[in-house]
Amino acid sequence: EPEVTQTPSHQVTQMGQEVILRCVPISNHLYFYWYRQILGQKVEFLVSFYNNEISEKSEIFDDQFSVERPDGSNFTLKIRSTKLEDSAMYFCASSGDPGRNQPQHFGDGTRLSIL
Amino acid sequence: GQQVMQIPQYQHVQEGEDFTTYCNSSTTLSNIQWYKQRPGGHPVFLIQLVKSGEVKKQKRLTFQFGEAKKNSSLHITATQTTDVGTYFCAGPGGNKLVFGAGTILRVKS
Repeated sequence: EPEVTQTPSHQVTQMGQEVILRCVPISNHLYFYWYRQILGQKVEFLVSFYNNEISEKSEIFDDQFSVERPDGSNFTLKIRSTKLEDSAMYFCASSGDPGRNQPQHFGDGTRLSIL
Repeated sequence: GQQVMQIPQYQHVQEGEDFTTYCNSSTTLSNIQWYKQRPGGHPVFLIQLVKSGEVKKQKRLTFQFGEAKKNSSLHITATQTTDVGTYFCAGPGGNKLVFGAGTILRVKS
């Protein structure tokens, strides 16, 4: 069964540094998402992306965050100047047309630890 | 904004006992999705309910969508140790999923 793949599985970074989290969505999906989950808490929406542009973002997704689809397969999340509170699991998800009730499928996640 | 509430937060059952988690949305949903997250894992899609009053079964798991399409439940019959994890409901809100806080299930053998 096709999967969403994420790299790296774990990223340790000094506060203030930039990180790029990478995702390869399921190949025939056109809708892409990033979520985060702080340890022990619920999954929180960050951003959705369709047709090469952001379709929705949450209040968490401020100016330090950006997303990009640099080629036909990768979907990246960049955090420009990391803060301690950015430490969390970051999940990428992809789906078919949500208007047709297509569910989202999640990758294994990247554990981001900010020191 | 849209909110999805889920109870209980935590349930610890003896193996063989039943388990139920309940989900309530502040708005009417076009569908509701259920995910399971094992400790240290990622959310794994279990099922989606679309129709008002819909009931779906997956082996020992029974999912129900309320008539008003604002609430849902997941019931596990005769829990097993493999059922441990956090069960999340999630409803679409715009271009995103809004997750409930999840119910952590622990099973004593």
